Amino acid sequence: NAGVMQNPRHLVRRRGQEARLRCSPMKGHSHVYWYRQLPEEGLKFMVYLQKENIIDESGMPKERFSAEFPKEGPSILRIQQVVRGDSAAYFCASSPGHYYGYTFGSGTRLTVV
Amino acid sequence: ELKVEQNPLFLSMQEGKNYTIYCNYSTTSDRLYWYRQDPGKSLESLFVLLSNGAVKQEGRLMASLDTKARLSTLHITAAVHDLSATYFCAASPGVQGAQKLVFGQGTRLTINP
Repeated sequence: NAGVMQNPRHLVRRRGQEARLRCSPMKGHSHVYWYRQLPEEGLKFMVYLQKENIIDESGMPKERFSAEFPKEGPSILRIQQVVRGDSAAYFCASSPGHYYGYTFGSGTRLTVV
Repeated sequence: ELKVEQNPLFLSMQEGKNYTIYCNYSTTSDRLYWYRQDPGKSLESLFVLLSNGAVKQEGRLMASLDTKARLSTLHITAAVHDLSATYFCAASPGVQGAQKLVFGQGTRLTINP
């Protein structure tokens, strides 16, 4: 079991470009979560998805950010027209469901220049 | 709204000493998690505490949960340098199974020889 796979590990984007972050959950896990970690801070919840459904997006900024978890393929976190404040580590976690633990991926470190 | 607070935020200690990290949370939560993060790395799951009075131990680390006081502790016994890392606690709001985690700010632990 390869664990939660995130790619790319590092991503550099110029202001105004789009960033696409991918997350493949562990085999058998149908719940995916995205978190953002700013330098020297804890993780902040962004969005919780199951296959083809957004369950909770209460942590997502209202503009420029979107997430999907299609029937086939990885979950995608998309940031349009990136700004310097989007620079952070973005972690994906997956879970098989209720009352089980969460497994985190290695993260994507986004740098906006 | 669930809030999670850790203290201390920074802890520098000598090898061989004992210390405790505290994690308070503001509203009912049915699960409490402890994670370790090394610089530039992902989160490693340490403990999941599910019920009042739960105590779990792994090596020099022991975690406990008091749901009435809304308090969890992570106790370090006879610290060694390898335990230097940032430790996060996280709680899940509500009692409906797989949901988002709300993280504390993290405690940066440095263990000096």
